[in-house]
Amino acid sequence: SQKIEQNSEALNIQEGKTATLTCNYTNYSPAYLQWYRQDPGRGPVFLLLIRENEKEKRKERLKVTFDTTLKQSLFHITASQPADSATYLCAGGGYNKLIFGAGTRLAVHP
Amino acid sequence: DVKVTQSSRYLVKRTGEKVFLECVQDMDHENMFWYRQDPGLGLRLIYFSYDVKMKEKGDIPEGYSVSREKKERFSLILESASTNQTSMYLCASSRTNSNQPQHFGDGTRLSIL
Repeated sequence: SQKIEQNSEALNIQEGKTATLTCNYTNYSPAYLQWYRQDPGRGPVFLLLIRENEKEKRKERLKVTFDTTLKQSLFHITASQPADSATYLCAGGGYNKLIFGAGTRLAVHP
Repeated sequence: DVKVTQSSRYLVKRTGEKVFLECVQDMDHENMFWYRQDPGLGLRLIYFSYDVKMKEKGDIPEGYSVSREKKERFSLILESASTNQTSMYLCASSRTNSNQPQHFGDGTRLSIL
């Protein structure tokens, strides 16, 4: 079945460092990938979209890559801050719907 | 900003009850979705709708039904609630193009006793 897989272990980093989160997809080829942020008790909030023909996308301190050979997307937060602590979800595009990964929790420590 | 509003943040119901979860969006979006979110499993699609009175099954539709009588409102119905339907339920909406971001409500945490 079509799957989006993210590292289930929490990622702990120091403030100011770059956080890198991984998203792998299997058994299909999404035309695009989306990244969302989810805070405890809240719904996910859209951050970035990258299409399969784009290698890299940037938005402020965020950078996303899409590697169709590795079937992987990397999500980077540079100069991370404690306020970046949240769960980040990757989602692969399909016809009018998304397939979501389980998310990776990021904790940025002062 | 798009607002997706779910009728309840917390809900406690008993096994066998018929449960209604309501969702309203204010941006005239064509698509609406219902997900459940469980630890370690992520968001799983229950049903979605791309137009009024239209619905399509997602990955886990068993035990659920939906209703979309108006464009802005999408209801999820648990026909006969069971304890394994205890979960966080999230509603989302998006424009009709497939790559459009989804806008989520803050969820309903449903407990079935």
